[in-house]
Amino acid sequence: GDSVTQMEGPVTLSEEAFLTINCTYTATGYPSLFWYVQYPGEGLQLLLKATKADDKGSNKGFEATYRKETTSFHLEKGSVQVSDSAVYFCALSASNTGNQFYFGTGTSLTVIP
Amino acid sequence: GAGVSQSPRYKVAKRGQDVALRCDPISGHVSLFWYQQALGQGPEFLTYFQNEAQLDKSGLPSDRFFAERPEGSVSTLKIQRTQQEDSAVYLCASRWGLGSGNTIYFGEGSWLTVV
Repeated sequence: GDSVTQMEGPVTLSEEAFLTINCTYTATGYPSLFWYVQYPGEGLQLLLKATKADDKGSNKGFEATYRKETTSFHLEKGSVQVSDSAVYFCALSASNTGNQFYFGTGTSLTVIP
Repeated sequence: GAGVSQSPRYKVAKRGQDVALRCDPISGHVSLFWYQQALGQGPEFLTYFQNEAQLDKSGLPSDRFFAERPEGSVSTLKIQRTQQEDSAVYLCASRWGLGSGNTIYFGEGSWLTVV
């Protein structure tokens, strides 16, 4: 079945460091891919998305490119800030029905000054 | 309202008690989802509504879990005879359209603790 695997955390970085959080997926057809973020005490928020191969989603300095050949959607940011501390979830929406979102287990990021 | 609203935000239930969790989706959103999120895990799909029709309930863990959306707007997730393993955050989400590329918007969740 469809699934998402993302790198385990927690991840601790210094401010202004480069961030990569790996995400790979397994799916039939052509899914849409998402990154959601959960700040402390808040609900899940969409960070970015890509709906077809080679699309790049971007928001708030974060980027991820939908790579069909490697079935990946890695999240990157060139210079993290303390305010980026949160849990990041990679997610997949199956193309056949769109009824289910499959989430990864989440990667906790802490950015220290 | 502007976002997905869930109530109660926090619920402590004694084992064996019934609970009802309410979700007010974004106005006009056709699709509504319920997810269960255990501590330190990603959300797990429970059920999906398209308007008032429950099209997928494959994720409901047992027949103690029941969801409804009678008028295609507000939804209620009911858990009967709660067990300790039901302790989790229950997330409601809604989506405007039906396509897989459309964004789903989450509420802040209902935190259920069964003691």
